[in-house]
Amino acid sequence: GDSVTQMEGPVTLSEEAFLTINCTYTATGYPSLFWYVQYPGEGLQLLLKATKADDKGSNKGFEATYRKETTSFHLEKGSVQVSDSAVYFCALGLNTGGFKTIFGAGTRLFVKA
Amino acid sequence: GAVVSQHPSRVICKSGTSVKIECRSLDFQATTMFWYRQFPKQSLMLMATSNEGSKATYEQGVEKDKFLINHASLTLSTLTVTSAHPEDSSFYICSAPRDRGGYEQYFGPGTRLTVT
Repeated sequence: GDSVTQMEGPVTLSEEAFLTINCTYTATGYPSLFWYVQYPGEGLQLLLKATKADDKGSNKGFEATYRKETTSFHLEKGSVQVSDSAVYFCALGLNTGGFKTIFGAGTRLFVKA
Repeated sequence: GAVVSQHPSRVICKSGTSVKIECRSLDFQATTMFWYRQFPKQSLMLMATSNEGSKATYEQGVEKDKFLINHASLTLSTLTVTSAHPEDSSFYICSAPRDRGGYEQYFGPGTRLTVT
């Protein structure tokens, strides 16, 4: 079935370190791919998205490229800040007789000053 | 930008009572809304799809008689947890897609339900 697998956390980094959170997916058809972020005590917010193969989504220094050949959508940021500490969810969106979003398990990121 | 609100943000109820949670789209109309449940440090589990003017579609394993969903208007969906038990304690989140075909979801801030 359709699913999203992302790396387990927590991930702990020092400020200004490089971040990669891996995400792979299994889907029938042609899904859209998303990264959502949940800051402590808040609801989920869309961080970035890509709707077709080779698209690159970017926002707030984060980026991810839709790789159909490897069914991946890894999240990267060149220099993390303490304020990036949050839980990051990779997700895919499908229309299978109705819209549906399937989430990965989430990866908690801690950034130390 | 698009905003989805939920009310209440927190609720504590006694076992056996029912609790209603509201989800509103504030600046757009949503013919479809989604209800999720999030356990501590875990991902979101889709419970059901709320459809304006028709019955909700429940995911496998979700009791439709326990989690009643009503999509009363194009901006309001409600989730009622009936005869709540402590195991129903969780974080309930709703979302709505703003555009047809976009799959991008706007999420409410969530409702923390505690059943004592």
